[in-house]
Order: sequence, then C-alpha cells, then structure tokens
Amino acid sequence: EAGVAQSPRYKIIEKRQSVAFWCNPISGHATLYWYQQILGQGPKLLIQFQNNGVVDDSQLPKDRFSAERLKGVDSTLKIQPAKLEDSAVYLCASSQRNRPNYGYTFGSGTRLTVV
Amino acid sequence: AQKITQTQPGMFVQEKEAVTLDCTYDTSDPSYGLFWYKQPSSGEMIFLIYQGSYDQQNATEGRYSLNFQKARKSANLVISASQLGDSAMYFCAMRESNTGTASKLTFGTGTRLQVTL
Repeated sequence: EAGVAQSPRYKIIEKRQSVAFWCNPISGHATLYWYQQILGQGPKLLIQFQNNGVVDDSQLPKDRFSAERLKGVDSTLKIQPAKLEDSAVYLCASSQRNRPNYGYTFGSGTRLTVV
Repeated sequence: AQKITQTQPGMFVQEKEAVTLDCTYDTSDPSYGLFWYKQPSSGEMIFLIYQGSYDQQNATEGRYSLNFQKARKSANLVISASQLGDSAMYFCAMRESNTGTASKLTFGTGTRLQVTL
C-alpha cells in the first residue's frame, strides 16, 4: 500500500510569513496526526483528527497554527504568522484502530526553516 | 511529568556487538502499548517493534528485542549484532488506551546510536 504522503519536503520562509503543509494518509486510516519535531527532540503531537473531527488539539498554538481535514482524507496544517521557534520538522502520521498495532505510519516530514 | 524517559542522549557500539537502549514510562492506564522507532538522518520514522501491556512474552523482531519489565515500567530495546546501518536516532513511544479512537503516540527525547567499526 502507498505510504503517507507529505509536501513540500522542505520550506524556507521569513518570520511573519505564512506557510501550509499538506498530508495524504494511508487509504482507510481514520486517524490522522500532525507532530512537530524540533531538532534534537522527540515528536510532539500538535493535533489529532478522527475522520474529519478534531480529537486532541491541546498542544496546538491556536493563535498561529490551524489545521483541517476536510472530507476525512487529506489534511493541511497552516502557520500564520511564522516565528523563528517554529523551525522544525512537521510529521504527518495516520493509523487505524483495527490494524495490527494500530498500523501507525509516518510520512517523510516537511522540514521548515524560519529565518 | 514526562511519560516517556530516555536517559541516554547518545550511545556508541562496535559493529557486531549488542546494545541496549533504555526507556522508562509512566502511566496509570492498565492497557497501553510501547513502540520503538528508528529515525535515520533522512527523517522518516521507521517502526521497529511493539509490546502490548498484556503481552506475556517479550517482543522480538529479527535483531530487535524488547526487554519489557512491567513492574519497573521499563521497555528497553536490545539490538543484537549491530550493523553500520543501525546508526540513527531511536525513539521510544507509548500509546495509552483511548476508547473509540486510535490513540496518539507520546515520544521520548530519543537516543542517538553510533555504530563504529
């Protein structure tokens, strides 16, 4: 089966600009996650969707970050305006409860550099 | 409080030797799952091994085994016969039960493993 697709692979923007990331999960996976991974740290959950509804966005800086998963398939994560501390890799993952070990699968990530 | 603790920022191991990467966790949930992932410099997260809280035996996957000590809340990864390609970041992660939805994974800070000749 095809993996989790993410684009772009790399992005460099100036602070205060906006940026958007796209993710297409594994077909049939109901749950989609966006993680932020700052250099040298483990991934931190930003938001979790179940189909097109938000399950957990407690760690999402809602003054600047937004995410949507229209139609319960692919998802976009937006940052507006970006800050220097938003420089990180943004990982998208998907899972399905009835798969072995939930079938967590990660995309290759988008590496964001804010200058 | 941190839910997943990896106390080794970096480890070195000689090729063909075994190495243990430490992971301790904290949860009050009786049903949980523990995962290990490998992240090479290219950035993708590669699933290595899974241990469920009710599993009676330690998980094994090829050269990877998980030393699960439930009472001590530890889930150490053992890599046998290390290879140069094992050089990467290794993350321990936990899934707690969450009725009705697939649960998020909570990650540790990772251990960077360097395999030497």
